[in-house]
Amino acid sequence: DGGITQSPKYLFRKEGQNVTLSCEQNLNHDAMYWYRQDPGQGLRLIYYSQIVNDFQKGDIAEGYSVSREKKESFPLTVTSAQKNPTAFYLCASSLQARSNQPQHFGDGTRLSIL
Amino acid sequence: QQQVKQSPQSLIVQKGGISIINCAYENTAFDYFPWYQQFPGKGPALLIAIRPDVSEKKEGRFTISFNKSAKQFSLHIMDSQPGDSATYFCAASIRGNNRKLIWGLGTSLAVNP
Repeated sequence: DGGITQSPKYLFRKEGQNVTLSCEQNLNHDAMYWYRQDPGQGLRLIYYSQIVNDFQKGDIAEGYSVSREKKESFPLTVTSAQKNPTAFYLCASSLQARSNQPQHFGDGTRLSIL
Repeated sequence: QQQVKQSPQSLIVQKGGISIINCAYENTAFDYFPWYQQFPGKGPALLIAIRPDVSEKKEGRFTISFNKSAKQFSLHIMDSQPGDSATYFCAASIRGNNRKLIWGLGTSLAVNP
């Protein structure tokens, strides 16, 4: 079955630590996205990538970094500079970023601070 | 101008009733309006979407109504079922080269049996 796999499902971060969230898709989609979801909030865009080896900052990129070395993979690193990292992180992909293609989501990673 | 305002924040409906969720926007450059459904602990999933050249789109029990002059669109769930209990998000995207979605804050729907 095609889809998006996020891992781990739950992640705990110590103060001053960087952590990396995994996102893999086998849908052959060009575009990939990272969102942050907080209770009572909509989805806020962290980073997006329209194609391999290219990515752009979203609305709340500070304290986060990404890479897109392979079409299938778009890992997100939450750095120690992100002072309020506790949230539900969602990865999504779409066929292209230019057309009205639906975004397909993974089941998220819940990050908490120890 | 970039916002999408969604209401109500929460909604309780009896089984068999009609659930109505509304969204409003200001930016006339929006040209694609999807609705997503999210169950607890899961990612959102596309439910139905509409473009502004269409006033209504129906898929099964789910209908989007679009009022271009009022800059409003709404989701109607007919014959609501307990399995429809979820959070619903409206969104909009602007013509351009990245198709960023602007999201509403969500509506938590509970359908009582």
